[in-house]
Amino acid sequence: DSGVTQTPKHLITATGQRVTLRCSPRSGDLSVYWYQQSLDQGLQFLIQYYNGEERAKGNILERFSAQQFPDLHSELNLSSLELGDSALYFCASSVPGTSNTGELFFGEGSRLTVL
Amino acid sequence: QQQVKQSPQSLIVQKGGISIINCAYENTAFDYFPWYQQFPGKGPALLIAIRPDVSEKKEGRFTISFNKSAKQFSLHIMDSQPGDSATYFCAASRPVGYSTLTFGKGTMLLVSP
Repeated sequence: DSGVTQTPKHLITATGQRVTLRCSPRSGDLSVYWYQQSLDQGLQFLIQYYNGEERAKGNILERFSAQQFPDLHSELNLSSLELGDSALYFCASSVPGTSNTGELFFGEGSRLTVL
Repeated sequence: QQQVKQSPQSLIVQKGGISIINCAYENTAFDYFPWYQQFPGKGPALLIAIRPDVSEKKEGRFTISFNKSAKQFSLHIMDSQPGDSATYFCAASRPVGYSTLTFGKGTMLLVSP
């Protein structure tokens, strides 16, 4: 158990809909990362937050947005869903500052299926 | 642009054999090279990592070999076991702190009994 909690584990929805994925990082971790995993693209970095502020942006679509709240949990919002958005979405967290060894601690993912 | 290229895509090894997975990177600013292991239904977990100041790092049956001049690194799994069957991802990042990991596309390893 990595200590990172993601909900829901599975989600089935229709094209055009909007969903929200939630992530609680490990206790004490200030950084939250979102990754998308698909069979053909592997693990694609979407976005990173550090202590509530956006820190880095990767291949995140404009239809997607995220935020990190004062209690450090994060939400990834996916809107106007398309079939191609079906994937596993992972959240990860890391130890802050000088204690950071570079290790990311991943949750078990949220599997999104768009029909 | 794929910054970390991983091969092979899949690999079948007999129990007791050596599994070898290779990665190549392009960005010379990368200075941290981890390998993550992912079992079905689970998130990736750090297996072993190396920094470019050493050419090899060994932890148990797992060894990373690093060739800075060739911008390549590889994972060797000695005495492969069925329990090692998983997907393996190589990754790279710039100096630790706030940088993000760039992952390869993964290698599905199956160790046959």
